[in-house]
Amino acid sequence: NAGVTQTPKFRILKIGQSMTLQCTQDMNHNYMYWYRQDPGMGLKLIYYSVGAGITDKGEVPNGYNVSRSTTEDFPLRLELAAPSQTSVYFCASSPHGADSSTDTQYFGPGTRLTVL
Amino acid sequence: QKEVEQNSGPLSVPEGAIASLNCTYSDRGSQSFFWYRQYSGKSPELIMSIYSNGDKEDGRFTAQLNKASQYVSLLIRDSQPSDSATYLCAVNLPGYSTLTFGKGTMLLVSP
Repeated sequence: NAGVTQTPKFRILKIGQSMTLQCTQDMNHNYMYWYRQDPGMGLKLIYYSVGAGITDKGEVPNGYNVSRSTTEDFPLRLELAAPSQTSVYFCASSPHGADSSTDTQYFGPGTRLTVL
Repeated sequence: QKEVEQNSGPLSVPEGAIASLNCTYSDRGSQSFFWYRQYSGKSPELIMSIYSNGDKEDGRFTAQLNKASQYVSLLIRDSQPSDSATYLCAVNLPGYSTLTFGKGTMLLVSP
């Protein structure tokens, strides 16, 4: 199993450009998450999904959009990039959800995004 | 806003010592508590989870939970230089399938 994969690893965007961060998992997990991590900060939840066709906002959703058409894929879209979106983005998946006593979130390797 | 608080550190301990990492949380309804380890430039990985008051041991790691005090801790016995990393405390958001993460505590273990 590859686990959770993310592409690209690095990207530099100009202000106002758009891009999609890709995330794929091969563990057949229902739950998927997008986080951003700024230097010296913890993880902030952007969006999450509890299954194909179902998405919901997290703590910091402004400036982002998501879709979940399949169990495996959960892309994150930035429509009009801003310097405030410079961050490391992590995708994660889990089998049960964080309110379950048996949950574990598996993280992808991250995408380092710089907006200039 | 639900919060998870950790000392940012760094916490410096000599090799072989016990490292004690602490975390407090604001939502009394939280039921699931997790410790993730994150090496510099890498993604977080789960090392411990705990759901009941008391201690839970796994090898050199012990998680401690006190729901009355809204306090969870991680003890690392016989600390090794390879334990040097940032440790993230995470707490479930009641009613949602999501976690709230603290900012993390950096641990430095010197040989």
